[in-house]
Amino acid sequence: DAGITQSPRHKVTETGTPVTLRCHQTENHRYMYWYRQDPGHGLRLIHYSYGVKDTDKGEVSDGYSVSRSKTEDFLLTLESATSSQTSVYFCAISEWTSGSTDTQYFGPGTRLTVL
Amino acid sequence: AQSVAQPEDQVNVAEGNPLTVKCTYSVSGNPYLFWYVQYPNRGLQFLLKYITGDNLVKGSYGFEAEFNKSQTSFHLKKPSALVSDSALYFCAVRYDKIIFGKGTRLHILP
Repeated sequence: DAGITQSPRHKVTETGTPVTLRCHQTENHRYMYWYRQDPGHGLRLIHYSYGVKDTDKGEVSDGYSVSRSKTEDFLLTLESATSSQTSVYFCAISEWTSGSTDTQYFGPGTRLTVL
Repeated sequence: AQSVAQPEDQVNVAEGNPLTVKCTYSVSGNPYLFWYVQYPNRGLQFLLKYITGDNLVKGSYGFEAEFNKSQTSFHLKKPSALVSDSALYFCAVRYDKIIFGKGTRLHILP
């Protein structure tokens, strides 16, 4: 999976608790992304980062925050988890430079269940 | 606004037969187009991409895709399907941002 790890791989939590998912890359890519995958919806972008401390919202960012203090780590936080955030979360990386095409490479995913 | 559509939720093909997974897109300019594959309990894996040039793009595992600008399509194809090709396939388009289709589940029947 292109030097990308996600932790934890599985998590069960209760409504109202905070949850942090971690994405770690060894490729030194500039761009990092968080997606959620749900049946019937495909992949939807939550947040992305274009550098250390540089982040922006995706199409489903409500209820989520992110942080990137180092090139290799991108954290996704659910401040107060809800059942609607039960999903599989994928991290992706890419290198968008002149001549490249922003091919994204994905981590193995984190399955989150909110009870 | 840019968009991408995969009109079939599921495609069934007999092993050894040719397969096609359809993708259409809508963007105002010249897009980059991608196909990804997802096996059970795994992340998406890059298969192939179209940037410019030859309309027929070859990728991993014997897959290819044909870019058709007039029909705004980028269908994924393989001449002879294998049971191991059974998976979930995603088309994606990038213009100012990348958008993924909802996925097509491909079943190859032995």
